Amino acid sequence: KNEVEQSPQNLTAQEGEFITINCSYSVGISALHWLQQHPGGGIVSLFMLSSGKKKHGRLIATINIQEKHSSLHITASHPRDSAVYICAVRSWAGGTSYGKLTFGQGTILTVHP
Amino acid sequence: NAGVMQNPRHLVRRRGQEARLRCSPMKGHSHVYWYRQLPEEGLKFMVYLQKENIIDESGMPKERFSAEFPKEGPSILRIQQVVRGDSAAYFCASSPPVIETNYGYTFGSGTRLTVV
Repeated sequence: KNEVEQSPQNLTAQEGEFITINCSYSVGISALHWLQQHPGGGIVSLFMLSSGKKKHGRLIATINIQEKHSSLHITASHPRDSAVYICAVRSWAGGTSYGKLTFGQGTILTVHP
Repeated sequence: NAGVMQNPRHLVRRRGQEARLRCSPMKGHSHVYWYRQLPEEGLKFMVYLQKENIIDESGMPKERFSAEFPKEGPSILRIQQVVRGDSAAYFCASSPPVIETNYGYTFGSGTRLTVV
């Protein structure tokens, strides 16, 4: 079993729909990242969370440390949101937050006009 | 303030040749991470470096792969005697010692290595 599991693996939506991508992890973490990758493109860090909730534009990310679960929400989805969304966690090492990331397998989001 | 710079963006090598991938971290970032994304697979950690030190190389294949981050200049990921299975996208990321925001962890655009 992977340390970081995402669901769903593939997600298709119509423009305007509310989208949720889920991430569960099995290890103790210092922080969780949500990343975005367009086909053939680079990786953009959307959020870094260690507790609670963050919002940026139409994107909202939440984390529940006790349940080891995070969600990424996209409100009023748009075709330009089509991309791979990746959950990644950072663990602790020797009492300090460790920079190395462990990734989920990614969720391929396609938003149709 | 330039982001993480990786070059080349695309690299084609024949089997048996050497591949050198370069990564210049963001200004002020002293930690560098290399990740590999094989076709149709997720990202996997390879190596974590600080200036002149390898902190964690648990994700590096035992043979043919090496990485360095010298006192001056970019970090280099070196693959000797490349094979077709090395074809992948190689991403570099950098961070300061303490990562306080998502902007503190920045990825480069990647190097797409194709072995023919």
